[in-house]
Amino acid sequence: KNEVEQSPQNLTAQEGEFITINCSYSVGISALHWLQQHPGGGIVSLFMLSSGKKKHGRLIATINIQEKHSSLHITASHPRDSAVYICAVRSDDMRFGAGTRLTVKP
Amino acid sequence: DVKVTQSSRYLVKRTGEKVFLECVQDMDHENMFWYRQDPGLGLRLIYFSYDVKMKEKGDIPEGYSVSREKKERFSLILESASTNQTSMYLCASSLFKTGDNEQFFGPGTRLTVL
Repeated sequence: KNEVEQSPQNLTAQEGEFITINCSYSVGISALHWLQQHPGGGIVSLFMLSSGKKKHGRLIATINIQEKHSSLHITASHPRDSAVYICAVRSDDMRFGAGTRLTVKP
Repeated sequence: DVKVTQSSRYLVKRTGEKVFLECVQDMDHENMFWYRQDPGLGLRLIYFSYDVKMKEKGDIPEGYSVSREKKERFSLILESASTNQTSMYLCASSLFKTGDNEQFFGPGTRLTVL
């Protein structure tokens, strides 16, 4: 069993929909990262959080340390949000989820 | 802005060839990492380095070696490429060795071994 599990693996939405991607982990962590990978491969960091909630534009990330769970929300989704979203946790080192492939259709 | 560059975006090699993947970062970061990314498996750490000439094995070092002769450059070497090394290879760097800090990723090299 992976230490970092993401769901769903694939997600298709219509433009404007509210999106939620979930991440559960089984190890003690010092921080959790949400990453975005666009077609072509480049990865950018969206959030790094260790408690509570962070917001950046239409993106919101939350974490519940007791439940070992984090969610990434996208409000008013847009086709340009189509990407793979990766959850990563820092324990002794970085552990990555397999990613959620999001497709937003116009 | 931190910039992490990789020598090739796409690479096709034959079984048995020696393959070099180069990564350069321009922000004087201490740590550098090589990952491979395969569908359904996520990113897996091959090797990392926290200083010049220092290297540590990650989760899947078999079949790979690395070199860090200069702080800004971290090379991944496939001594004798095999078809099961066909993958996307991602390099990353981060500022400090200890504590949690953000990793900055390169654009990736998609390697195909025929």
